[in-house]
Amino acid sequence: AQTVTQSQPEMSVQEAETVTLSCTYDTSESDYYLFWYKQPPSRQMILVIRQEAYKQQNATENRFSVNFQKAAKSFSLKISDSQLGDAAMYFCAYCMEYGNKLVFGAGTILRVKS
Amino acid sequence: DGGITQSPKYLFRKEGQNVTLSCEQNLNHDAMYWYRQDPGQGLRLIYYSQIVNDFQKGDIAEGYSVSREKKESFPLTVTSAQKNPTAFYLCASSRRQGMLSSNTEAFFGQGTRLTVV
Repeated sequence: AQTVTQSQPEMSVQEAETVTLSCTYDTSESDYYLFWYKQPPSRQMILVIRQEAYKQQNATENRFSVNFQKAAKSFSLKISDSQLGDAAMYFCAYCMEYGNKLVFGAGTILRVKS
Repeated sequence: DGGITQSPKYLFRKEGQNVTLSCEQNLNHDAMYWYRQDPGQGLRLIYYSQIVNDFQKGDIAEGYSVSREKKESFPLTVTSAQKNPTAFYLCASSRRQGMLSSNTEAFFGQGTRLTVV
């Protein structure tokens, strides 16, 4: 069974600094998708960034970028120039190419200090 | 506007009663999902459906049931067999996988907070 592990229950970062959230996953598949979702206090889930496993290039979205290491099954999220609005729970998620089973990690609470 | 709608936002249930949570999407998505979130915890998959009239159990299906009679709708029933139903429930939908395409992310509703009284 596929599993997603986020080993950092909570992280803190100073405003304007950079922080990296860790995620590892376990799968025997070669084709799959990885996602980072943000859940602010409103509890609305918001997609932050997506990575297709067949793409070697790391995905970037403005201040958000990932470090995708397929062999190591690692998918970390880097947030640059952190802002107060980045404070939220962040979830790493995995979905294999076939089967539509979307699996989430336990989440990391990110606190941003002003 | 296209989106996914969950109702009600808050729901109270007496012990021993069944209750149904609604989830409707107008995104023309094939796949739909139900997740449970407990305080400070991640999302655990209850059931998911890849296509109409088909669904699979997730990791914590016991005490829950679903139906998928229409593409747009994926209601979740919390039965009296679910021993600890108080939680936040999230519904999501996505394009069906298997096409190595973009736009594969899941879109979420705003959730239903279920409380047993």
